[in-house]
Amino acid sequence: DTAVSQTPKYLVTQMGNDKSIKCEQNLGHDTMYWYKQDSKKFLKIMFSYNNKELIINETVPNRFSPKSPDKAHLNLHINSLELGDSAVYFCASSSDGNSPLHFGNGTRLTVT
Amino acid sequence: AQKVTQAQTEISVVEKEDVTLDCVYETRDTTYYLFWYKQPPSGELVFLIRRNSFDEQNEISGRYSWNFQKSTSSFNFTITASQVVDSAVYFCALSGDGSGNTGKLIFGQGTTLQVKP
Repeated sequence: DTAVSQTPKYLVTQMGNDKSIKCEQNLGHDTMYWYKQDSKKFLKIMFSYNNKELIINETVPNRFSPKSPDKAHLNLHINSLELGDSAVYFCASSSDGNSPLHFGNGTRLTVT
Repeated sequence: AQKVTQAQTEISVVEKEDVTLDCVYETRDTTYYLFWYKQPPSGELVFLIRRNSFDEQNEISGRYSWNFQKSTSSFNFTITASQVVDSAVYFCALSGDGSGNTGKLIFGQGTTLQVKP
């Protein structure tokens, strides 16, 4: 029933580790996104994919690598985690660039 | 530059009061879309409304209403007869990268609304 689901909901890890966040949407949307929400609640786009093709790649460190095996999935892999990566990461999807985004419930990443 | 400003960081009202959340935007695009999202304490982001740049009609949905004015680049959101369940962070957002390309939402800083019983 869930439209956009991301796992895990919480992720606690140590500096230097590699971790992944998975995202799946069952809305049939062509476009998927990753947004980062920092401790001050500021939301910023990281990446967007349209039909498995990278469309937007903001100035995000190379340690972050999105992967889209098909248009229903957009996973986020983070290498060599740093303290500053602690945030809530939201996956989202939309039917096109002007349509409302449907967000997942977020993954709270804590790097210690 | 593409920018969304929500000057009110926090607003506190008593239940049943009306409250208006301000949103001012800057864009180079002639066609663009504006959005409002709600983030309740549980953390999810909930879509409330989308408005395109050619439609300046105000919109009302129950206790919620939106006032879009291109002349002042504003897209304000009013909650009438506020309720405790309206307590949340509200985000205004603008689509577009300034070159006519869509698919990128620029969010304002958010306004935290607290409605006290």
